[in-house]
This record gives sequence, structure tokens and C-alpha cells, in this order.
Amino acid sequence: AQSVAQPEDQVNVAEGNPLTVKCTYSVSGNPYLFWYVQYPNRGLQFLLKYITGDNLVKGSYGFEAEFNKSQTSFHLKKPSALVSDSALYFCAVSSREGYQKVTFGTGTKLQVIP
Amino acid sequence: EAQVTQNPRYLITVTGKKLTVTCSQNMNHEYMSWYRQDPGLGLRQIYYSMNVEVTDKGDVPEGYKVSRKEKRNFPLILESPSPNQTSLYFCASSLTLNTEAFFGQGTRLTVV
Repeated sequence: AQSVAQPEDQVNVAEGNPLTVKCTYSVSGNPYLFWYVQYPNRGLQFLLKYITGDNLVKGSYGFEAEFNKSQTSFHLKKPSALVSDSALYFCAVSSREGYQKVTFGTGTKLQVIP
Repeated sequence: EAQVTQNPRYLITVTGKKLTVTCSQNMNHEYMSWYRQDPGLGLRQIYYSMNVEVTDKGDVPEGYKVSRKEKRNFPLILESPSPNQTSLYFCASSLTLNTEAFFGQGTRLTVV
């Protein structure tokens, strides 16, 4: 069975500082990895994905993520946090092989402090 | 405008009264899913569909049904709702499994 772990329920960071939101995964075969963001009372919005190729993936709003196969991680990063980045962030995994399911993590609330 | 439309946005119902939440996408996507979002549990996939007439169970399918008779529509059916199905539900669609998903605005369901 595939799974996603987001070990931090909440991450607090000062505006202008770099931020990291952690994600580790478990899946059979090669993963498809995604990050989504959810603002209050809204649906989820796509940020970025890793399918294959370069381990460093750049996405929307200045976010990036690094795929690390040996550590089975896909941490979300941004060099300089904005107050408007405050939201709920979800990591998700699916696989090219086997079932066509998508598994999400439990989410990490990012709070950027002015 | 590319979008996924869910209806209704809010619903309060009583235990055992059958209900349907509709989902429609206008992007000709093949892959569609239903999720429920609960505090502390994140999003959990209920059912998914890889194309018309092809559906399969996600991680929490008990108490739910789906159908995919047309590519654009993927309704979620609760034949006999129970209070533990009180949740926030999202429909999503993507071109394929490895492309970005577009989410509806959500349906907040309360079963009393």
C-alpha cells in the first residue's frame, strides 16, 4: 500500500525567511509526486509535480521541491516566505505501476509571521 | 473557463436518506476522483475513474457509490448516509494520473 507522511502539522516561519514543508512517501515502483495548496474555504490548487527527470522541480508562486529517491522524500521549499503563503499544504503520491490510486498526506499548515 | 463544478456546496440531511452529489468537468479529462477531507486525516480517496465506465475503489469506499456514464460527469451517491459520513467532499479531475488535478469548490455534508 502506498502512503504519504507529512510529519509537521504546522510550520511557522518569519516573512522573508526560507521555508520547508516536509513530505516522505512509500510506493511500489516509480512515484508521481505532487504538492497542492488549500486556502480557507477553497478547493485545492496545484503547485508542482515530479514525474521524471530533474530532481529539483520548480512550480507556481516561487515554490520548488526536491525529489530524493534514496530518502523517499519530496520536501517543498521557498527561498523567501510571504504572508500570503499562509495556507494548508498537501503532498500526494501515485504510481505508474499497479493501482491508479492517489494518496494524500494529512496536510501541513504554514503560518508566515509578518 | 476550465473548471470542476460540484453541487450542492452545502447539504444537511438525515440518516438514511439517499443523496447524490454531482460533479462535472469541462476539460475532457479522463481521470476523476472523489475525496473526503476530515481534520487530522487529510484527503482520502473514495473512488476514482480512469475513463467512462471504468471505476475503482479508493481507500475509503464503504457507504459510497459512483458511476461514470459520460466523460464529464462523476456523481457520488450515498445510498444510506450515516453521521460518520459528515465531511467535506471534493471532486477532482485530471487528464491522466500523472498530470495536475483540478478540484471543485467542495461540498460540506452534514448527516444528522
